Amino acid sequence: AQKVTQAQTEISVVEKEDVTLDCVYETRDTTYYLFWYKQPPSGELVFLIRRNSFDEQNEISGRYSWNFQKSTSSFNFTITASQVVDSAVYFCALSGANTGNQFYFGTGTSLTVIP
Amino acid sequence: DVKVTQSSRYLVKRTGEKVFLECVQDMDHENMFWYRQDPGLGLRLIYFSYDVKMKEKGDIPEGYSVSREKKERFSLILESASTSQTSMYLCASSQGEGFAYEQYFGPGTRLTVT
Repeated sequence: AQKVTQAQTEISVVEKEDVTLDCVYETRDTTYYLFWYKQPPSGELVFLIRRNSFDEQNEISGRYSWNFQKSTSSFNFTITASQVVDSAVYFCALSGANTGNQFYFGTGTSLTVIP
Repeated sequence: DVKVTQSSRYLVKRTGEKVFLECVQDMDHENMFWYRQDPGLGLRLIYFSYDVKMKEKGDIPEGYSVSREKKERFSLILESASTSQTSMYLCASSQGEGFAYEQYFGPGTRLTVT
C-alpha cells in the first residue's frame, strides 16, 4: 500500500524563523519518487522538487532544502529564514513503479508566516 | 513553461444538472488527471488518462465520468450533480511514464452544487 502522512496540519512561524515540514511515506516499491508541491492562496499547485528512491542526497535550492532519509521513510522540507510569501499549503506526494501513473498525496500542511 | 488551463475558476450548478469541466494542456503530455480537493482530505484522484480515449479509475470515480478525444483535452463530467460533489477540482498533466515525472496542475475549478 502507498501512503503519505503529513502529521502537521497547521504551522505558524514568525518571519525569518526556520521551519521544517514533515513527510513520512509508506511503499512496497523499490523504485519510487517523492515530490513536494506548494499551493498558495491563489489555489494552483506549484511543483517544487522531485526525488527518486535511489538518490538520498539532500538538496538545497535557495532558502529551501530537502532531507530524504530512506531509513526513516521521510522526506522533510525546510524553509530557512521564512518570508510572508512562503505562506501556503504544502503537499508531499509519492508515486511508485508498480502504481501506474497514480500519485499519492498527503493531506497537506498549512504554513502561515507572520510578519 | 507547461500550461494547464481549466475552463472555469468558479461554477455554481443545481442538483441534478449535468456538469462539464474542461482541461487543456499545451505541452503534448501523455497523461492527464482529475482530482478533487477537500479540506482535511488532501487531493483524491477521480480519473486519469494515459492516452487518447484511454482512461483509468482513480480512488473516487463514483458519480463521475471522463472523456479524452484529443491528446490536449481531458473533460470531467458529473452526470447528475449532487451537493456532495461541491469541491475544488484540479486537473493535472505529466509526460511519459507518469510515475517518474512531476504533474503540472491547472488553477482549479471551485464547484458549488446547490
